[in-house]
Amino acid sequence: DAKTTQPPSMDCAEGRAANLPCNHSTISGNEYVYWYRQIHSQGPQYIIHGLKNNETNEMASLIITEDRKSSTLILPHATLRDTAVYYCIVRVLIQGAQKLVFGQGTRLTINP
Amino acid sequence: ETGVTQTPRHLVMGMTNKKSLKCEQHLGHNAMYWYKQSAKKPLELMFVYSLEERVENNSVPSRFSPECPNSSHLFLHLHTLQPEDSALYLCASSFHRGAGELFFGEGSRLTVL
Repeated sequence: DAKTTQPPSMDCAEGRAANLPCNHSTISGNEYVYWYRQIHSQGPQYIIHGLKNNETNEMASLIITEDRKSSTLILPHATLRDTAVYYCIVRVLIQGAQKLVFGQGTRLTINP
Repeated sequence: ETGVTQTPRHLVMGMTNKKSLKCEQHLGHNAMYWYKQSAKKPLELMFVYSLEERVENNSVPSRFSPECPNSSHLFLHLHTLQPEDSALYLCASSFHRGAGELFFGEGSRLTVL
């Protein structure tokens, strides 16, 4: 399974863009990159996923490098409610089900 | 509200007890998952069910016994647990063979005395 590497913690000012990096240098050509976040002791929440192209939804943007070895999650206008642990995951399919192996993630703190 | 409901939300049990955690999803999904989250540790994948068949057992001790009677329900049967098994147990579901997301429940917080 492809391993991901994220910084353990980051800070961002409220209203600014938060850019969270992730390295996944061993990713295979057909493996998706997923991002989830977990607010204290709640279940993880899906944010976005991508394969090759950049993706955007109402929560965030995902920028994937051309070689697919790294990606960046962008929260364009961070709010205090975005304080959470953010997980970058390379998804593996096992008999149709999604195997998501969570690492340590990045603890993002949004400061007023 | 994610559409995945876990009960009970909190459970305290002794090491000799037998109890069960229940997960129910109302999303029409056909893959279900159990994760364990211990204090200050990342989520650990325990079991994966796809179309009601167990397809992954991540070296989980036999004192944890999963059951998936249909695509909407998932159980985790617990017996002779140890205090180190105290954790937040999270259930999730997804579509089979999709590129979509996992939907997580709020979790069952288990304390083993």
